[in-house]
Amino acid sequence: QVQLQESGPGLVKPSQTLSLTCTVSGGSISSGGYYWSWIRQHPGKGLEWIGYIYYSGSTYYNPSLKSRVTISVDTSKNQFSLKLSSVTAADTAVYYCARDQWGNWFDPWGQGTLVTVSS
Amino acid sequence: EIVLTQSPGTLSLSPGERATLSCRASQSVNTNYLAWYQQKPGQAPRLLIYGASSRATGIPDRFSGSGSGTDFTLTISRLEPEDFAVYYCQQYGSSPRTFGQGTKVEIK
Repeated sequence: QVQLQESGPGLVKPSQTLSLTCTVSGGSISSGGYYWSWIRQHPGKGLEWIGYIYYSGSTYYNPSLKSRVTISVDTSKNQFSLKLSSVTAADTAVYYCARDQWGNWFDPWGQGTLVTVSS
Repeated sequence: EIVLTQSPGTLSLSPGERATLSCRASQSVNTNYLAWYQQKPGQAPRLLIYGASSRATGIPDRFSGSGSGTDFTLTISRLEPEDFAVYYCQQYGSSPRTFGQGTKVEIK
């Protein structure tokens, strides 16, 4: 079955760019049939969808983050990535990658990775 | 964007009891495009229900979803020890997709 795993720095300085990668196993991103999303969860709080990418490279972002977000895909590595620029403490969260059922629900999810923004 | 409000914030119940969780939307959810997830401490959310009432693969039939328009319900008919967790609703009828703030089901 499809599994996802996030990776990247756990600590980012304010004003810098947060960069994370999601590696997909058990299935191919380039086979199509799904979008691939990033979602975050602020400590002790709810969930916020960040954006998605299709294997072709087409993307769609949450308007609340659109100006700072870039999601890209590397089909040769079966990975997709998140970049969030100009981070502040408000961007401290657990970041999840997930398979996105055509802009509907998310299943499955990666285990998540905590990113702390601090100097 | 659609705001989802879940109630109660915390539900204290005993194993074997019935749990009823509510998710109310700030405006009608298109074609009942609503999902429910379960999240245990330190774990990622797991899809339980989509389309308001369809169980995801492998989800026990003690979990059921219902509702339409702005009012949706997740029911756990008889709580098992592994069901104590936080539950989130999510709408996908309107962009951007949004989540509720969660209901914690705890052991009484």
